Amino acid sequence: AQSVTQPDIHITVSEGASLELRCNYSYGATPYLFWYVQSPGQGLQLLLKYFSGDTLVQGIKGFEAEFKRSQSSFNLRKPSVHWSDAAEYFCAAQMIQGAQKLVFGQGTRLTINP
Amino acid sequence: NAGVTQTPKFRVLKTGQSMTLLCAQDMNHEYMYWYRQDPGMGLRLIHYSVGEGTTAKGEVPDGYNVSRLKKQNFLLGLESAAPSQTSVYFCASSPFLVYEQYFGPGTRLTVT
Repeated sequence: AQSVTQPDIHITVSEGASLELRCNYSYGATPYLFWYVQSPGQGLQLLLKYFSGDTLVQGIKGFEAEFKRSQSSFNLRKPSVHWSDAAEYFCAAQMIQGAQKLVFGQGTRLTINP
Repeated sequence: NAGVTQTPKFRVLKTGQSMTLLCAQDMNHEYMYWYRQDPGMGLRLIHYSVGEGTTAKGEVPDGYNVSRLKKQNFLLGLESAAPSQTSVYFCASSPFLVYEQYFGPGTRLTVT
C-alpha cells in the first residue's frame, strides 16, 4: 500500500540551529512530493513541492528539500531556524495519475528553544 | 477572492446527532477533498470529488456522506455522530492537472 512515514513525532532545536525533518515514502513509482506546514490552530500551507528534475527544491520561508530516489526520501531542511518556525510539518505524496489524492505522513511537531 | 472557506469553525454535537459541514471554493477548481486530522495520524482522506455531481470514497469514509451539487461547494454529512468522529476536518480543492491542493482553515468538531 502507498504510504508516507515521518519517523520523528517531535523535534526540538535551538533558535539559529539547523533543521532536518525526515520523510520516507513507499510507492510503486516515484510520486509527486510535498511539504506542508501547519501553525497552531491554522490550516495547511504549502512549503514546497517536487515533481521532477533538480532533486534539491527551494520553498518559502527559507526551507529546502532534497529528493533521494535511492533512499525513497524527501527530507526538509533549513540552515537556521527562527522561533516563528515552531509548527507541525507534514510530508505528503501524490500519485502522478488519478484523482490527485494526497497521502500524508503522521506529522512532525517542531519546538524551538530560545 | 476568499479561497477555500469552511462553515462552521467549531461545533459540539451529542452522540447520535447529525450535522453538515460546508466547504466552498471560489477558484473554479474541479477537485475537492475532505480530510480529518487526528493526533499522530496526519490527515486522512474521507471522501473526494473530481467534478460536479461526482463523489468517491477515500481512506476513511465510514460514517460520512458527501454531496457536490454545485462545483464550488462540497458538503460533508454526519448522519449519526459518534465520539470517534471527534476531529479537525479540513476541506481542500485543486485544479485539474495542477498537483497542488489549497486547504481551508478547518472545522473542529467534538462529539460528546
